[in-house]
Amino acid sequence: GENVEQHPSTLSVQEGDSAVIKCTYSDSASNYFPWYKQELGKRPQLIIDIRSNVGEKKDQRIAVTLNKTAKHFSLHITETQPEDSAVYFCAARGKFYFGSGTKLNVKP
Amino acid sequence: DSGVTQTPKHLITATGQRVTLRCSPRSGDLSVYWYQQSLDQGLQFLIQYYNGEERAKGNILERFSAQQFPDLHSELNLSSLELGDSALYFCASSVAFGAYTDTQYFGPGTRLTVL
Repeated sequence: GENVEQHPSTLSVQEGDSAVIKCTYSDSASNYFPWYKQELGKRPQLIIDIRSNVGEKKDQRIAVTLNKTAKHFSLHITETQPEDSAVYFCAARGKFYFGSGTKLNVKP
Repeated sequence: DSGVTQTPKHLITATGQRVTLRCSPRSGDLSVYWYQQSLDQGLQFLIQYYNGEERAKGNILERFSAQQFPDLHSELNLSSLELGDSALYFCASSVAFGAYTDTQYFGPGTRLTVL
């Protein structure tokens, strides 16, 4: 089955800095890679996604890059703000398995 | 608001009991997924239904079962509850089950507490 590894498990940055979260996957058939943001006690919300025929996608301060050869993809958040503090999950479709999550703390 | 609804919002029950969690997908979505999230843990995929039929199974215990009805709402049944079943249970829906239409939208979750 799919195995999605996510790093780091926690990430603390200063407001205004950039944050990068990385995921690797094992199933070469995976072709859709969403990222979800989950605030404490709330539902996961899709923030950005990328299809396998695209190497990079950007939406304002958020970008995702995909390297299919190396089977890894990354979430980049620039100019971080305190409201970016949350847990971020990656996933690689194919199957329905999420990464273990990254707790991002943005210090004001 | 994702358009996915879940009831109840909170559920407190005792060990050994049985509960039913309910999910209504977004209008037009045919697939429903169930996930379990224990405290400070990730999302564990339990099961997926597509248009009334079971399509994929994850780490679902034998004490748990689910179904999707003709109106596409889904129920997750948890029986012989144990303390370790206390968790947030999320339902998600998507249009179909193929990868390119597989964007999942999550409901607000049901928080189950087993005492």
